[in-house]
Amino acid sequence: AQSVTQLDSQVPVFEEAPVELRCNYSSSVSVYLFWYVQYPNQGLQLLLKYLSGSTLVKGINGFEAEFNKSQTSFHLRKPSVHISDTAEYFCAVISNSGGYQKVTFGTGTKLQVIP
Amino acid sequence: NAGVTQTPKFRILKIGQSMTLQCTQDMNHNYMYWYRQDPGMGLKLIYYSVGAGITDKGEVPNGYNVSRSTTEDFPLRLELAAPSQTSVYFCASGNEQFFGPGTRLTVL
Repeated sequence: AQSVTQLDSQVPVFEEAPVELRCNYSSSVSVYLFWYVQYPNQGLQLLLKYLSGSTLVKGINGFEAEFNKSQTSFHLRKPSVHISDTAEYFCAVISNSGGYQKVTFGTGTKLQVIP
Repeated sequence: NAGVTQTPKFRILKIGQSMTLQCTQDMNHNYMYWYRQDPGMGLKLIYYSVGAGITDKGEVPNGYNVSRSTTEDFPLRLELAAPSQTSVYFCASGNEQFFGPGTRLTVL
């Protein structure tokens, strides 16, 4: 079975401090990994993705993530957060097996940036 | 490019009523998806489509139906609305999943 775990439901952090949002996954096949951001009352917006190649992936708004296959993790990081980063962040896994696509989202992490 | 558009933005249904949530994309994507989002639960995939005429069930398809007659449109049909279908519904398209703004549905 495929699953995604975002252990932290809420992460408070002071402005200009670094942040790491954790994502672990489980799958029996190869996966593609994504991080999305959702601002209140809006749809999700793609932050970054890992499809193949370099395990360090850079995305929009200064975010980056590192794919660690041995630890089955894809943690999201930003060295210095801004107030505008306050939002909910979702990790997602997509796999293709036997012509069937499986998409699994984590339950989300609410990032609250404190001035 | 309008991207992914969804209508309506809000809707209140009575139990047993039916409705169709519309989703249109103008990016010529083959893949399209329907999700529901409930508080604290993340997004659950209802149905997806890999191209016109081809649809498949996701994780939570019960109570819903879809069709994909064109590349652009991927409507989601609720035949007999139930309170458990109160949720926010998102449509997405493309391998990277560009999301629409969502439809907030309440079933009373």
